Amino acid sequence: QKEVEQNSGPLSVPEGAIASLNCTYSDRGSQSFFWYRQYSGKSPELIMFIYSNGDKEDGRFTAQLNKASQYVSLLIRDSQPSDSATYLCAVRGGATNKLIFGTGTLLAVQP
Amino acid sequence: DAGITQSPRYKITETGRQVTLMCHQTWSHSYMFWYRQDLGHGLRLIYYSAAADITDKGEVPDGYVVSRSKTENFPLTLESATRSQTSVYFCASSEQGLLANYGYTFGSGTRLTVV
Repeated sequence: QKEVEQNSGPLSVPEGAIASLNCTYSDRGSQSFFWYRQYSGKSPELIMFIYSNGDKEDGRFTAQLNKASQYVSLLIRDSQPSDSATYLCAVRGGATNKLIFGTGTLLAVQP
Repeated sequence: DAGITQSPRYKITETGRQVTLMCHQTWSHSYMFWYRQDLGHGLRLIYYSAAADITDKGEVPDGYVVSRSKTENFPLTLESATRSQTSVYFCASSEQGLLANYGYTFGSGTRLTVV
């Protein structure tokens, strides 16, 4: 079992819809969780982090964390074609500064 | 320029040659990391460093060597390049500590092709 799992996609949504990206992790001691966006040919950029159960909102983005079920999700409201990218979930363990990344979900927003 | 820079952006080398990828950051971040990114595997940690002169192996360290004599530099050397090391290499840095919001900042990457 991979430490951080994501559906590779592609996830295709129409413009203006809500995109829902999911991630599960295996280490129950994980402390904090990150979402990175990576455009084709570019480096990953941090868009959200969350460490408490529940929801965290930032503009059109909402991160959701459920530690009991060991999943974290990212919702993108009013999806735009410019949101088309690969979204990487990353998890930090309890006693380390290392991030473990999932393989990413490719999101395609159709105009 | 402020930030984290990698060089070269693109490199083609021959099997068996030694190659060094450079990484420089201007924030004085304690932690630095090297990842490789391959289709189907995502980002895999090669080596990381918690401070100058402190380095440790990641998930896929074989065939690579790192050093960190200065806080701002973290070069990655492929001692004898193999075709399986063809990949995109990303350097990243992070502030010290285990606070929840310490994410990584990535460099622009080096696309390495071994022929």
